[in-house]
Amino acid sequence: DTGVSQNPRHKITKRGQNVTFRCDPISEHNRLYWYRQTLGQGPEFLTYFQNEAQLEKSRLLSDRFSAERPKGSFSTLEIQRTEQGDSAMYLCASSFPQLSPLHFGNGTRLTVT
Amino acid sequence: SQQGEEDPQALSIQEGENATMNCSYKTSINNLQWYRQNSGRGLVHLILIRSNEREKHSGRLRVTLDTSKKSSSLLITASRAADTASYFCATDGYGNKLVFGAGTILRVKS
Repeated sequence: DTGVSQNPRHKITKRGQNVTFRCDPISEHNRLYWYRQTLGQGPEFLTYFQNEAQLEKSRLLSDRFSAERPKGSFSTLEIQRTEQGDSAMYLCASSFPQLSPLHFGNGTRLTVT
Repeated sequence: SQQGEEDPQALSIQEGENATMNCSYKTSINNLQWYRQNSGRGLVHLILIRSNEREKHSGRLRVTLDTSKKSSSLLITASRAADTASYFCATDGYGNKLVFGAGTILRVKS
């Protein structure tokens, strides 16, 4: 169990650019979640996968956001045409079975200038 | 939107004292979980309590759950400086995901 890994740890980008984050879950975990966390708040749910299927997306996930989990292994979260309001910590978590304790990565901190 | 509300928002205590944090939620749940987050890091699971349980212990942690009041409390006994962190409750009342509260920031002074 090497834990959940997220890359990059930090990303600074200019408004309007596209960014992509990667999450490698614990290998035997079939559930993978993406959360967003702003300063002073708890994590807000964005989306989750069971294996390769994306089963739920939050209304927070505008059409500029897309997530994939090809082959049910790692996942990517892409934000197109970034806005300053996208600045946040993006957290990935995995679990098995469903809703057992979530194992979180250390997040990717996005700053949009 | 967040399901739970933690109280207090911030708590500052001396090392050795006990710390109590409360969480209220809005919907029926199967279980409630508590997590800790150190600054700039991911969340770490502390304890899970099922809806048919009233109290659970893990080391220096004690969690209670009152489903009639839709509330839970986390007690950390004999606090240490290393307990300084943010603490979040999370519930599964909105389907196949955990919904987190806004958290309590705990500062333990040595």
